[in-house]
Amino acid sequence: DTEVTQTPKHLVMGMTNKKSLKCEQHMGHRAMYWYKQKAKKPPELMFVYSYEKLSINESVPSRFSPECPNSSLLNLHLHALQPEDSALYLCASSRLRSNQPQHFGDGTRLSIL
Amino acid sequence: AQSVTQPDIHITVSEGASLELRCNYSYGATPYLFWYVQSPGQGLQLLLKYFSGDTLVQGIKGFEAEFKRSQSSFNLRKPSVHWSDAAEYFCAVGPPNYGGSQGNLIFGKGTKLSVKP
Repeated sequence: DTEVTQTPKHLVMGMTNKKSLKCEQHMGHRAMYWYKQKAKKPPELMFVYSYEKLSINESVPSRFSPECPNSSLLNLHLHALQPEDSALYLCASSRLRSNQPQHFGDGTRLSIL
Repeated sequence: AQSVTQPDIHITVSEGASLELRCNYSYGATPYLFWYVQSPGQGLQLLLKYFSGDTLVQGIKGFEAEFKRSQSSFNLRKPSVHWSDAAEYFCAVGPPNYGGSQGNLIFGKGTKLSVKP
């Protein structure tokens, strides 16, 4: 069992759809992250939130829109995605100290038709 | 430039045999070091971490890793591999001594472990 919960586990959407990925943690972590992982590759950082404020955006296209409504929730809003956006999207959280590891969810497997 | 190298893309070992996965890093200072494991269709699970002190660290599932500053290495070991250890293993480094979030973790490309019965 993971302490970071991601929903849905699988998502298939067309290029014109709008959908959202959700992530929830109740460990009191004040840093939350979105990663994109393609098959046989390491995770690539997309966004970082610290104290519910966006602190890092790794030049991600605007069709991905993150939101952190409170300290336990992290959303990733998707709109007009491209086939190359098909990937595993991982959420992680950590305490805001440099020696604290990140805890990952099991991810959402996203397929763009 | 900061980087993490896992020289072995794929390793196959027999069940019960010992295992060593290699990780080398290039960094301006001694970073924080992590090993994560990812089973198919799942997220990353932390196996162990090194920040300072004893250079031999123990992790979950019987894994250990040794930090060698002179070789800039942080190799993962297990004395006897079980079939359930088959997975992808990622070494990662994070910069030391910063007060914010860990957004800039650098991952190696991963080593896939297969276990023969």
